[in-house]
Amino acid sequence: GAGVSQSPSNKVTEKGKDVELRCDPISGHTALYWYRQSLGQGLEFLIYFQGNSAPDKSGLPSDRFSAERTGGSVSTLTIQRTQQEDSAVYLCASSARQRFPLHFGNGTRLTVT
Amino acid sequence: TQLLEQSPQFLSIQEGENLTVYCNSSSVFSSLQWYRQEPGEGPVLLVTVVTGGEVKKLKRLTFQFGDARKDSSLHITAAQPGDTGLYLCAGGSNYGQNFVFGPGTRLSVLP
Repeated sequence: GAGVSQSPSNKVTEKGKDVELRCDPISGHTALYWYRQSLGQGLEFLIYFQGNSAPDKSGLPSDRFSAERTGGSVSTLTIQRTQQEDSAVYLCASSARQRFPLHFGNGTRLTVT
Repeated sequence: TQLLEQSPQFLSIQEGENLTVYCNSSSVFSSLQWYRQEPGEGPVLLVTVVTGGEVKKLKRLTFQFGDARKDSSLHITAAQPGDTGLYLCAGGSNYGQNFVFGPGTRLSVLP
C-alpha cells in the first residue's frame, strides 16, 4: 500500500467496553510499532513487532492492553475494559527493518466516555 | 531508561524569523531522528543523523547531532506558516528495539 493505514480513525466507547484498533503497515515492512499520544504530548511506546520474533511488550501500561500481528502484516491492538485514562490517539508505525526510520499512520483517536 | 528532553515546549514566532529548538539527553544514541507532526496526522520523518557532529540541511532546516551523540538541534531560517507543527525528536539505541521520543516542541509561525 501507499502508506500505513489505521482504522477506525475515530472511536468513541463507553467505559468498561473492549475496543480493537487495526493497523495495516506498508507492504514488506518487517517492523511494526504501536505508540500512544495523549493530547498535546509526545509519543509513549506500547509494543514492537519484528518479523517472527517475540514482540517487545515492555511499554504496555497494563494487562488490559494486548496486541497481535497476524502473518507478519496486519496488527490489532486490543484494550479490554476501557478506562477514561485510555483516551488518546493510538499511532501505528512500520519500518523496513529494525531501527530504520518509522512511517506512521494517521492514528486512531479513542475517546472513552 | 533513556529519556529525551526538548526545549522550548512552545514557540510562537512571526513569519521570517529564525529559530532553534533543542533535543537533549544524558544517554548516548546510535541515531537521532526529527519528525514533524501536523494536527490529525501521524509524525513525518524529516531527517536521520547518525554521526557525532553531523550536520544535515533540508532547505531552510539545519539539523545537527552533538559530538557525543547525546543531543541535537534543529534550526529553521526564515520561518514560514507552513513550518507550523509539533517537532519531535526520537533516539535510536543499540540496546533497545524501540525509539525513544521526546515530548516535542510545538511551533506556531504567524503570518
